[in-house]
Amino acid sequence: DADVTQTPRNRITKTGKRIMLECSQTKGHDRMYWYRQDPGLGLRLIYYSFDVKDINKGEISDGYSVSRQAQAKFSLSLESAIPNQTALYFCATSRAGMTDTQYFGPGTRLTVL
Amino acid sequence: AQSVTQPDIHITVSEGASLELRCNYSYGATPYLFWYVQSPGQGLQLLLKYFSGDTLVQGIKGFEAEFKRSQSSFNLRKPSVHWSDAAEYFCAVGVYNAGNMLTFGGGTRLMVKP
Repeated sequence: DADVTQTPRNRITKTGKRIMLECSQTKGHDRMYWYRQDPGLGLRLIYYSFDVKDINKGEISDGYSVSRQAQAKFSLSLESAIPNQTALYFCATSRAGMTDTQYFGPGTRLTVL
Repeated sequence: AQSVTQPDIHITVSEGASLELRCNYSYGATPYLFWYVQSPGQGLQLLLKYFSGDTLVQGIKGFEAEFKRSQSSFNLRKPSVHWSDAAEYFCAVGVYNAGNMLTFGGGTRLMVKP
């Protein structure tokens, strides 16, 4: 079984709809991250969480919110989706050390019409 | 603020040829540097990372990278490319003062000709 799972893997929605993307991990890591990937821009950090009670905004948090329901679960919500939020979304986890590797889920492809 | 530039958006090489993917970074202190690979339809997998010591770093799948402080570069190399290396490659720098948050470059898509 995969260590970092994301659901759904693909989603098509309409402008104005509320969308939740979910991430679960079995690695026992405290830190979790949400990124979005756009062609030519690489990955950009949306939100990150160092533990259940520590959630922080990343580079591009506007229009997004998150919830850390447990050590293993970190959800990303789009309260009112807009077309420029069409992207590939990745969840990642890591231990707390500066050099520790981030482990990525398989991604969720979101299309907002 | 830190930044990462990957000057080559696309690269095509023949199978068996050598490969070098370029990465330049901008950061005010000694960086932590990473290379990730993204195969089609997959998440990102770590190839290698540098944080101190020997400036030539060995990674998985036969890849290596060399940290050159004077050039602010961390180029990825492989002596002989296999068709399975076709993927997108991302260079990233770790930020000191905020845990291990990563700033990514825009990526280089590698195509391999038979």
